[in-house]
Amino acid sequence: DTEVTQTPKHLVMGMTNKKSLKCEQHMGHRAMYWYKQKAKKPPELMFVYSYEKLSINESVPSRFSPECPNSSLLNLHLHALQPEDSALYLCASSQEGTAADTQYFGPGTRLTVL
Amino acid sequence: AQTVTQSQPEMSVQEAETVTLSCTYDTSESDYYLFWYKQPPSRQMILVIRQEAYKQQNATENRFSVNFQKAAKSFSLKISDSQLGDAAMYFCAIGGAQKLVFGQGTRLTINP
Repeated sequence: DTEVTQTPKHLVMGMTNKKSLKCEQHMGHRAMYWYKQKAKKPPELMFVYSYEKLSINESVPSRFSPECPNSSLLNLHLHALQPEDSALYLCASSQEGTAADTQYFGPGTRLTVL
Repeated sequence: AQTVTQSQPEMSVQEAETVTLSCTYDTSESDYYLFWYKQPPSRQMILVIRQEAYKQQNATENRFSVNFQKAAKSFSLKISDSQLGDAAMYFCAIGGAQKLVFGQGTRLTINP
């Protein structure tokens, strides 16, 4: 199974809402990633978890809060977002989180902030 | 810091023809890995091909092959016998410490 799943597929939220994005993989990978992707742009790295510990935070605003409950799950908690946060949010996983790793991407959650 | 440059924002090719997508990169690392990822419209990003910098032999995967020129820091992707399903955004990337650095992407259109 080489699949990364993400829920929900689409999410519309107001600026005062709290919501969460979920990501799951069953490949036994020990590194998981959150990316933000704007239209016609490459993915921008937000967070990296390695062995369930946050190892990289790319200076992401605190209104985005990641969580890694176990080695298969990755959440992204959203609170008080701004319209400019509307984007495709991609989750990915890789074997160990090294430079050699292939990253496997999920289909993404299309987020719209009103 | 690592950087990746894709100088062709858009390209098109006739079905069954061959097309080459360009990528140059910069890194101070001596050991690194290079990737081409494909993102079809409204579908998830997948790996096309991967190259280990210490290997001189160019990687190939069926109709996809790379021309890796380490001294020139160039890593182009050749797609042979282009098919309609090859239409996608193609991202070149370099593997760094725990993260990928992506180029800006090339949108490839296949003309039937």
